[in-house]
Amino acid sequence: DQQVKQNSPSLSVQEGRISILNCDYTNSMFDYFLWYKKYPAEGPTFLISISSIKDKNEDGRFTVFLNKSAKHLSLHIVPSQPGDSAVYFCAASDAGNNDMRFGAGTRLTVKP
Amino acid sequence: DGGITQSPKYLFRKEGQNVTLSCEQNLNHDAMYWYRQDPGQGLRLIYYSQIVNDFQKGDIAEGYSVSREKKESFPLTVTSAQKNPTAFYLCASSIVGGHLNQPQHFGDGTRLSIL
Repeated sequence: DQQVKQNSPSLSVQEGRISILNCDYTNSMFDYFLWYKKYPAEGPTFLISISSIKDKNEDGRFTVFLNKSAKHLSLHIVPSQPGDSAVYFCAASDAGNNDMRFGAGTRLTVKP
Repeated sequence: DGGITQSPKYLFRKEGQNVTLSCEQNLNHDAMYWYRQDPGQGLRLIYYSQIVNDFQKGDIAEGYSVSREKKESFPLTVTSAQKNPTAFYLCASSIVGGHLNQPQHFGDGTRLSIL
């Protein structure tokens, strides 16, 4: 059963515009959420995270929003750059139960 | 330069053969993990280890085995009991053993195919 879902397998955005990647989860025990970025032929690299006690975390062009009541988080990239083109994975963890789940990923393409 | 090294990058296995995927890290991390990625699916946890000489099964451990004799190394053996081994395998590590509120560092993966 997929406890973390990224319902959009792909997203295409023009350079300079905002990219919004979405992630939904079903397990209310998840208390820490992460986004990873993956280029072809490389492993995922950590991008940004958020604890369940916050609803927003910002790091430069990247902002993650968490809506606990909707069990939804999103990653905003502003402004989008061609180098942001990659697959983005959402992950959620329940440290108390030693559980971490990944979404299937969203492929972002930023067009020049 | 610290990091995680997975080898080989590509691996081919004949039916009925066991194969071992290597994972080495020089990040001094306590915890190490093995994931499997299939098309259209998220990463699924095979095994993880929080400390040397100890490891736990993940969601899809059947047909796989691991060892953790050294902190730096966490090899994964895909046995002949794994009926669908063709996949992309990722090894990861994190600072604190068993504490999932830490980002994981990933290797570049090994793609395993059946001949």
